[in-house]
Order: sequence, then C-alpha cells, then structure tokens
Amino acid sequence: NAGVTQTPKFRVLKTGQSMTLLCAQDMNHEYMYWYRQDPGMGLRLIHYSVGEGTTAKGEVPDGYNVSRLKKQNFLLGLESAAPSQTSVYFCASSYFLAVDQYFGAGTRLSVL
Amino acid sequence: LAKTTQPISMDSYEGQEVNITCSHNNIATNDYITWYQQFPSQGPRFIIQGYKTKVTNEVASLFIPADRKSSTLSLPRVSLSDTAVYYCLVGEIYSSASKIIFGSGTRLSIRP
Repeated sequence: NAGVTQTPKFRVLKTGQSMTLLCAQDMNHEYMYWYRQDPGMGLRLIHYSVGEGTTAKGEVPDGYNVSRLKKQNFLLGLESAAPSQTSVYFCASSYFLAVDQYFGAGTRLSVL
Repeated sequence: LAKTTQPISMDSYEGQEVNITCSHNNIATNDYITWYQQFPSQGPRFIIQGYKTKVTNEVASLFIPADRKSSTLSLPRVSLSDTAVYYCLVGEIYSSASKIIFGSGTRLSIRP
C-alpha cells in the first residue's frame, strides 16, 4: 500500500516548455487535489477532482490543466511553463471531500 | 472565506505540552477546523479535525470555545520529532474543496 505517489520528484524546465505531473493513489479515494507550495508559504489549491472524469478549479488554476481519466490517477499539466510556476507541487487524495487528505511527497519544479 | 491567523513560530522543550492557537474570527456556521503537520520536504499530514468543544485522538487534542472564533491545538509531552510546521485550516468540508485555505502555518521548534 503505497498511498499517494507523485512522479517525477524533481524537474527543471525552460520557459515555454510543457510537462505533466502524475499523481497515483491506491486507496480507492474519490477525491484528489493538486496544490502548490512556494517557499515559506502555505499550500494553495490549484485544481481538484470529485471523481473519475471530473475536475474543478481551486484558488490558483491559471496556467494549469488537469485530467482524471482513471479514478486512481490525477494529472497536472503545464502547457507553457513560466518562472512564476517554480514551486513544490503536492498531490493529495481523500475519501470524503476536503476531509483527512493524504499527501504525496511532492514534486520540486524549477522553471528557468 | 474564513481567514486564519497563527503565530509564525514557537519554541518549546522536550516533554512539555505545547499549545498552538489559531484565530478565525469570521468562521461560518458550516466550517470545520482542521490541523495538519508538515515536516521539511514532505507533504502535510492530517492531525485532527473538529467542529466544537473538544476533540482528542492519539496524537493531539483540539479545543474549540463556544464562539468558535479560535481553536487551540494541544500536543502533549512533545519530542524532537514534533519539530514541524503546523497549519490550521477553516472551511466547509464535504461540500467544496475550493474553500480549502492553508495559511502560512506555525513553525514549531522543539529543543532537548
């Protein structure tokens, strides 16, 4: 039982490049979330999903897209990376909406 | 959205009880109070959640006064491993993840 797994753990991009972050959970949770955390700050919700095939915007959705084609996976895409998107990205999942979220170890992204 | 205010940092010693207070003056009727713990280079970990009065689990207690405008996370007999950032969240659960707001947290340092 791995919990929430994020890949990759580290990535460096050049401005304008695209990439996809993958989140996988093995707890059969309905709800999944993507957050970003900037240095010395709390987490901010980017997008979330209330079930397979659904997505919704969080607090800071601009510049990101998400997809939930399978219940266990939640993908975060950056179509054209910008330096302002340099951050640590965390994925989380939960059984009930916004309750007792389980977090992954994070992806550290640098955009040069 | 209910904004939370926590001390930026706190120091204590091993074996002491630590109380971290969070202010949330404009908490709404449907809002719950949730606390997370985050170690460096890790995702947050759920500690405890409550609506009113007192909630206790195996790691912490949460005290919420009748007016619910503040809450106190109590960690009994802390150890060095309790050194972490603690986040207080206030918001609706079960209904809308978009209202999840992590503040800047309280950086707790435990000394021998």
